[in-house]
Amino acid sequence: DIQMTQSPSSLSASVGDRVTITCQASQDISNYLNWYQQKPGKAPKLLIYDASNLETGVPSRFSGSGSGTDFTFTISSLQPEDIATYYCQQYDNLPVTFGPGTKVDIK
Amino acid sequence: EVQLVESGGGLVQPGRSLRLSCAASGFTFDDYAMHWVRQAPGKGLEWVSGISWNSGSIGYADSVKGRFTISRDNAKNSLYLQMNSLRAEDTALYYCAKDNCSGGSCYYLGYWGQGTLVTVSS
Repeated sequence: DIQMTQSPSSLSASVGDRVTITCQASQDISNYLNWYQQKPGKAPKLLIYDASNLETGVPSRFSGSGSGTDFTFTISSLQPEDIATYYCQQYDNLPVTFGPGTKVDIK
Repeated sequence: EVQLVESGGGLVQPGRSLRLSCAASGFTFDDYAMHWVRQAPGKGLEWVSGISWNSGSIGYADSVKGRFTISRDNAKNSLYLQMNSLRAEDTALYYCAKDNCSGGSCYYLGYWGQGTLVTVSS
């Protein structure tokens, strides 16, 4: 199975800050990577698909990049409503696997 | 509006079985692959299983292979997960999720239900 790692596991930032999360795959997954946001007590929400494509309706402050084994997720200007845990997910090979998550909160 | 409503969760003893259901509405169910994803209390997301629109392609996580069976009834707009030989480590909130791509599985999980809780304990 493909193992996904994320860093950091948690972070605190101020409103307006640029926030970056990295995700690394244990082998080359091309661009078969998605990013999800999960707010406390809620179901996950798809934000980014195919590493860099913004899902319809998702604010443009969210972005993704990368290919191969190394990927980056960025919030360009952190907002209070962005408090959540963020997960990467690979789908290059079954089984689909998720990263362990990065918890983001406001400083 | 897409709606996914899971049911069938509950408290079950180790070794017993449970069948989860997901009622779908607001889209053409038989055009899309569907998935089950679970989340143990306080833990991350784990993909459990996925099934193509016509049930021709099915996949499972290693942790459930041989014990869980995914199925769908397109006439009833419903997805199912038969869970046998349940273990304590299967305790989780089980989400039903809709694949974003019609006619094939692209594994972008664009819509999720609110989940049904399965607790395996004696």
